[in-house]
Amino acid sequence: KAGVTQTPRYLIKTRGQQVTLSCSPISGHRSVSWYQQTPGQGLQFLFEYFSETQRNKGNFPGRFSGRQFSNSRSEMNVSTLELGDSALYLCASGESYNSPLHFGNGTRLTVT
Amino acid sequence: ELKVEQNPLFLSMQEGKNYTIYCNYSTTSDRLYWYRQDPGKSLESLFVLLSNGAVKQEGRLMASLDTKARLSTLHITAAVHDLSATYFCAVTPLNTGNQFYFGTGTSLTVIP
Repeated sequence: KAGVTQTPRYLIKTRGQQVTLSCSPISGHRSVSWYQQTPGQGLQFLFEYFSETQRNKGNFPGRFSGRQFSNSRSEMNVSTLELGDSALYLCASGESYNSPLHFGNGTRLTVT
Repeated sequence: ELKVEQNPLFLSMQEGKNYTIYCNYSTTSDRLYWYRQDPGKSLESLFVLLSNGAVKQEGRLMASLDTKARLSTLHITAAVHDLSATYFCAVTPLNTGNQFYFGTGTSLTVIP
C-alpha cells in the first residue's frame, strides 16, 4: 500500500497570506490527523477527522482549520499567517482505534 | 493540563551499552505508542502498548507499559550506531479517538 502522501513538501509564504496543505491517507484509513512540529513546542495535535467529521481539535487559534473529503483525503488551511506558524506540518492516518498512526513526510512551511 | 514527559532529553551512549528511556504521563490512558524520527524524516511507528504490563520487543529495542504508574520504558540493548535517532512516546487519553499527546522526545546518539 502507498503511504501517507503530503503535498507540497516545502512552502514559503509571507506574513498575512494563507496556505492550504493537502494529505492523502493510506487507502482504507478513515481517520486523518494533523500535527505541528516545532523545535520549541515539539509535536502538537491540531485536529482529527473521521468520516468527514472533525472528531477532536487541539488548542490552536481559529486561523487553523481543516476538512476531510468523502475519499478520506484531507486539507488543512492556515489563514493570516504569522512568523510563529513556521513549522513542519505532519499528517497521519489511522486504520482503527488501537492501531498506530502512520505519518506522512510532512510539509515544511516557512513564513517570512 | 495533560503532560507527557520523557527523560533523558539527550542521550549519548557508546556502542554495545544498554540504556533506558522513560516516559511519564499524567492522564489515564489505555494506549501508548513509541515512535522513531530520523533527522529530516517523518515518524516511524515502533511499538503499540495496549494494556498494563504489556511488553513488546523488536531487535535491540524493548518497550513496556505500567498503566498504574503511568510509566513506559524503552530499553536499548547493546546499542548500535543505526539506533541513533529521536524517540518519542505518545499517549491517547481515554475516549479521545486518535488524539495523540507526544512526549518531548529523546535524542539518542550512539557513538562507535
